[in-house]
Amino acid sequence: DAGITQSPRYKITETGRQVTLMCHQTWSHSYMFWYRQDLGHGLRLIYYSAAADITDKGEVPDGYVVSRSKTENFPLTLESATRSQTSVYFCASSEWEEVSYNEQFFGPGTRLTVL
Amino acid sequence: TQLLEQSPQFLSIQEGENLTVYCNSSSVFSSLQWYRQEPGEGPVLLVTVVTGGEVKKLKRLTFQFGDARKDSSLHITAAQPGDTGLYLCAGTLDSNYQLIWGAGTKLIIKP
Repeated sequence: DAGITQSPRYKITETGRQVTLMCHQTWSHSYMFWYRQDLGHGLRLIYYSAAADITDKGEVPDGYVVSRSKTENFPLTLESATRSQTSVYFCASSEWEEVSYNEQFFGPGTRLTVL
Repeated sequence: TQLLEQSPQFLSIQEGENLTVYCNSSSVFSSLQWYRQEPGEGPVLLVTVVTGGEVKKLKRLTFQFGDARKDSSLHITAAQPGDTGLYLCAGTLDSNYQLIWGAGTKLIIKP
């Protein structure tokens, strides 16, 4: 089915471990985004990508790494997980058009707990 | 400081009542979007408004963009339990493609 999927949906890990969250979209959208959602902070942008091999930092990039070798995939890696990275992570995509308002389509989220 | 302020942060009302939630800023936005997020899911786009004074309706939901494009409101008529969720506003500035997000209004409609 067309859409945007995230895996895993739930993850528990320990401090210091590396964790990779996967995001896959079937629309061939140019732009992809990673957000974290925490109570009291709303959605905060971690990284975004305008196209394959083009990525840029968002508001809260420290401790995270992204890559985009293919248009449809945008994995997010926590190199050494910390408790402060416990959160719900959302991947989103959008298409750039001449008159685009960056309307975004979201995946179902990954709930990550770092012990 | 949040660039987009949403109010109220939390609202709990009875089924059948009307309500309005607000999204305010001191900045001018080129567009303003409203999303609804249900528990355990990602936000889903409801509407985009782009012209000052614009009004859009989606069944019982009415969205308005302020004349100066600095604020927006969402009015729900005869609220139903299915309207329960987190309502998020987000906007784009002329100078930047990035979406600026409000913190959200958590809405609970009691049967």
